[in-house]
Amino acid sequence: GAVVSQHPSRVICKSGTSVKIECRSLDFQATTMFWYRQFPKQSLMLMATSNEGSKATYEQGVEKDKFLINHASLTLSTLTVTSAHPEDSSFYICSASLGGRGNQPQHFGDGTRLSIL
Amino acid sequence: GENVEQHPSTLSVQEGDSAVIKCTYSDSASNYFPWYKQELGKGPQLIIDIRSNVGEKKDQRIAVTLNKTAKHFSLHITETQPEDSAVYFCAASKYSGAGSYQLTFGKGTKLSVIP
Repeated sequence: GAVVSQHPSRVICKSGTSVKIECRSLDFQATTMFWYRQFPKQSLMLMATSNEGSKATYEQGVEKDKFLINHASLTLSTLTVTSAHPEDSSFYICSASLGGRGNQPQHFGDGTRLSIL
Repeated sequence: GENVEQHPSTLSVQEGDSAVIKCTYSDSASNYFPWYKQELGKGPQLIIDIRSNVGEKKDQRIAVTLNKTAKHFSLHITETQPEDSAVYFCAASKYSGAGSYQLTFGKGTKLSVIP
């Protein structure tokens, strides 16, 4: 149980392209989804938290116009990197939690490796 | 905000030996402590977790201990196997508002199990 699917697993595209990444909870309803960024050999850095049906909350230093997040349903959140540049190249990982009462585990997707040429 | 320190950053053990990874946290409001295993090119996988009302939890070869007073928690892996080789992250979670709980991760420990 608690499977999170992330797609695509790898994207290579030209500078200036916008890229959409999907995150789906396959066997549970995710009230809250999270988007992280991970640089090589480093820990996960939280970018934003999204609750279904409401606007995402972005961490300090993360540009909300650059990283558009949509959480339209209890099983799907999307991250769009707009007008991507080489410095946006990174490993992007989503997670989902059941929400509800109390502190629930976060379950992670397998990440998207984004390479901007 | 919360700060999670994790040690060691790298750990090599012989197959069959035990491995211990330690973490400390700073915010007493944190009440949930998961451990994740991340293999190369994949997302983190939850392997065990512990809540602040429990001092110890075990699942087969994996155990976690929590000392709330000292704000320490540790992961113990016994009878290590080569497939345990990965990067392990500890995390601390607390309420962040608007119905959400946020994780703060440690910097990770790269565990190598030598056959």
